[in-house]
Amino acid sequence: EVQLLESGGALVLPGGSLRLACAASGFTFSSYDMTWVRQAPGKGLEWVSRITGSAGSTYYSTYYTDSVKGRFTISRDNSKNTLYLQMNSLRAEDTAVYYCTRDLGPGLAASGFWGQGTLVTVSS
Amino acid sequence: EIVLTQSPATLSLFPGERATLSCRASQSVSTYLAWYQQKPGQAPRLLIYDASNRATGIPARFSGSGSGSDFTLTISSLEPEDFAVFYCHQRATWPWTFGHGTKVDIK
Repeated sequence: EVQLLESGGALVLPGGSLRLACAASGFTFSSYDMTWVRQAPGKGLEWVSRITGSAGSTYYSTYYTDSVKGRFTISRDNSKNTLYLQMNSLRAEDTAVYYCTRDLGPGLAASGFWGQGTLVTVSS
Repeated sequence: EIVLTQSPATLSLFPGERATLSCRASQSVSTYLAWYQQKPGQAPRLLIYDASNRATGIPARFSGSGSGSDFTLTISSLEPEDFAVFYCHQRATWPWTFGHGTKVDIK
């Protein structure tokens, strides 16, 4: 069974930093592209960032929505089956539940599996 | 950035009625469009991928259609558990984007 468990959400001051983690199990983590999606309180979904799977290489491609470019960094540790999102220079508008998602399957880039989410609150 | 416009914002229907949700893209996304359902307090669930393919375990009453810029999610006969918010999502062009959602509520 595919399981994704996010952690690391917290209350942080504007300008602060936070690192989210997503522990994956039930599948070959290294083979799958992974994505972070967020949802501000009472609002819709927003795609945040994506990292490709290894496909036998140590090179990964990463992608970001414009509002987080230069502030957020997505990474993965395949030895630990864990996805990360390093968030720096946090702003009030980054307040949201952050979901870790896995593609439905190889070549099927829809988010077929979701974690339960972790709440990040940026406030003074 | 591709903007996805969903309509209507809210759809009020009785159980058993047919629901038709629209998603229009500001430019062509081919068939790289998915639909998600989200209930309060839950993570979203994938319903449809690549415009018309049902995800595993999704009932046949859910169907997707369209290509290019115009897409439709149809629920042929609403069950009580179907009332939720539905989002469309494109993966044709970076940055990927979501629509703002259509809420389907009980009339």
